[in-house]
Amino acid sequence: DTGVSQDPRHKITKRGQNVTFRCDPISEHNRLYWYRQTLGQGPEFLTYFQNEAQLEKSRLLSDRFSAERPKGSFSTLEIQRTEQGDSAMYLCASSLEGGGGNQPQHFGDGTRLSIL
Amino acid sequence: GESVGLHLPTLSVQEGDNSIINCAYSNSASDYFIWYKQESGKGPQFIIDIRSNMDKRQGQRVTVLLNKTVKHLSLQIAATQPGDSAVYFCAEKGFQKLVFGTGTRLLVSP
Repeated sequence: DTGVSQDPRHKITKRGQNVTFRCDPISEHNRLYWYRQTLGQGPEFLTYFQNEAQLEKSRLLSDRFSAERPKGSFSTLEIQRTEQGDSAMYLCASSLEGGGGNQPQHFGDGTRLSIL
Repeated sequence: GESVGLHLPTLSVQEGDNSIINCAYSNSASDYFIWYKQESGKGPQFIIDIRSNMDKRQGQRVTVLLNKTVKHLSLQIAATQPGDSAVYFCAEKGFQKLVFGTGTRLLVSP
């Protein structure tokens, strides 16, 4: 399978704990995006990387959230001191950009986070 | 601000019918639009895209229409099948991020 891979698929944790999610994009894709999706809503943009550089962060990304893509391949999203409101599906997407045209973002199946 | 909305939250059709899912967008600067299909427990799956210099694009059993004058996007699915049952999202891209609406649930009955 050469699609976007996310791990873990499910995470249950107690409020106040730290959690980290991993995303492996499609191998040749230079852009990687993180989105958050709550029940009944469309995904909301959190942040994106062009290779290893983090180029944009949403207002949704509070200082408890940090994302990295150290070698321009896989990415991690960490949430510190989790709160009830962090419960959501965290989606990763990747795309191959460049050459002057828009390209579709391809999504993984997400990590569902539940805060007890 | 930017917003992408959908007119119908749920669309029920019979197998074999054609389905039309509509979407309104508000950012006239958006230059790229994508339709995604999302099944329960899975991530959004790319269906078809269209750039703002086009008004129609066809894929396999799907057609996307773009009307920039009224900022309206539609997805047409021909000969709808039970496997088409899912939530469908339109998304617009103005800069680097996608802005999604809340989705339309398509229910296909045999």
